[in-house]
Amino acid sequence: GQNIDQPTEMTATEGAIVQINCTYQTSGFNGLFWYQQHAGEAPTFLSYNVLDGLEEKGRFSSFLSRSKGYSYLLLKELQMKDSASYLCAVMDSNYQLIWGAGTKLIIKP
Amino acid sequence: GAVVSQHPSWVICKSGTSVKIECRSLDFQATTMFWYRQFPKQSLMLMATSNEGSKATYEQGVEKDKFLINHASLTLSTLTVTSAHPEDSSFYICSARPPTPHTDTQYFGPGTRLTVL
Repeated sequence: GQNIDQPTEMTATEGAIVQINCTYQTSGFNGLFWYQQHAGEAPTFLSYNVLDGLEEKGRFSSFLSRSKGYSYLLLKELQMKDSASYLCAVMDSNYQLIWGAGTKLIIKP
Repeated sequence: GAVVSQHPSWVICKSGTSVKIECRSLDFQATTMFWYRQFPKQSLMLMATSNEGSKATYEQGVEKDKFLINHASLTLSTLTVTSAHPEDSSFYICSARPPTPHTDTQYFGPGTRLTVL
């Protein structure tokens, strides 16, 4: 079956760096998405990786290894507003999105 | 984990016709379901919030007469795109929220790709 795994919850300190991992097993691969979702709001697009490697976008970077079925989202210089859920989603061979359950990130002062 | 399904996965229709998309929570009861629209590599745009047994709440700018939402049971919500036009072509995603105490959690469906010719 298809599966996406990511940690349920992580805690980090303001100003620090945190890495949120995502492993996946899907039928085919057409890209991996990371979204940020604040409570009560719609998910906000953060990144899309379809080729191996690191994509950097400001304080956020996303890495993909297709051979390992692995991705991570790296958040630097953490701010309190980064407290949110981070969703990993993979688009399979049928262009369907397979969603992880989300990682709740708690930022402490 | 909780599973949300959507049907159909793909639909191609002619301009002017109506299309119904189903969203089901397979192993939990969802008192609230959400309908989103997604354009490529963009954030999910919330279209409406659907509560079982009551009328859906639409976001500003979403035509309620064009996008009909019905949440007739605790496991099923439907979105009907009426008189579809090519500009309605998009990826529609639903999510379902279990009842308390898990009210912050949403489980997302795999999406339905609509192409209007």
